[in-house]
Amino acid sequence: AQSVSQHNHHVILSEAASLELGCNYSYGGTVNLFWYVQYPGQHLQLLLKYFSGDPLVKGIKGFEAEFIKSKFSFNLRKPSVQWSDTAEYFCAVRRGGSYIPTFGRGTSLIVHP
Amino acid sequence: ETGVTQSPTHLIKTRGQQVTLRCSSQSGHNTVSWYQQALGQGPQFIFQYYREEENGRGNFPPRFSGLQFPNYSSELNVNALELDDSALYLCASSFGGQATYEQYFGPGTRLTVT
Repeated sequence: AQSVSQHNHHVILSEAASLELGCNYSYGGTVNLFWYVQYPGQHLQLLLKYFSGDPLVKGIKGFEAEFIKSKFSFNLRKPSVQWSDTAEYFCAVRRGGSYIPTFGRGTSLIVHP
Repeated sequence: ETGVTQSPTHLIKTRGQQVTLRCSSQSGHNTVSWYQQALGQGPQFIFQYYREEENGRGNFPPRFSGLQFPNYSSELNVNALELDDSALYLCASSFGGQATYEQYFGPGTRLTVT
């Protein structure tokens, strides 16, 4: 069965620090990759997605992610975090052509001002 | 443009009972997916409805069933509730039944089974 691993369950950073959240998946074929964010008290929303093409994907709010096929990874990065980035972050993977996404268990990010 | 709405916000049920959760999709969307999110876990796909037909299902037993109506709103029904069904139930809508869609999530219904 396909699985998605998010290595860091809790991350605490100070403002202006750099962020990298890891995401690895187990499926070897074509994949669609997503990062979602859930701010406190808000709905789950899409940060960025990868379907094909340039493996470096830019999303909203200065986030980016790099798809490294050989490492089955899709890590999320931001060069300088802000207090407002405090949220829960979820990586999700879907086999190409499938309707069924598999989510990781999430990473809770706290940014101290 | 209205977003995805879900009702009720919270619900408490007893083991063995049945529950119906409701979702109104975002304006213009014809596809609805349902997810279960247990505490400390990511959302788990239950099933998807496209134009009133189920067109994808995750690893959930048949006591989890759904409906989609002509206006594309949807219901999730769970029979014979078990304690492990306690979770946040999320609905997401999108346009088109293809796998390249972007989903928009609702706020969820928190179900507690005692």
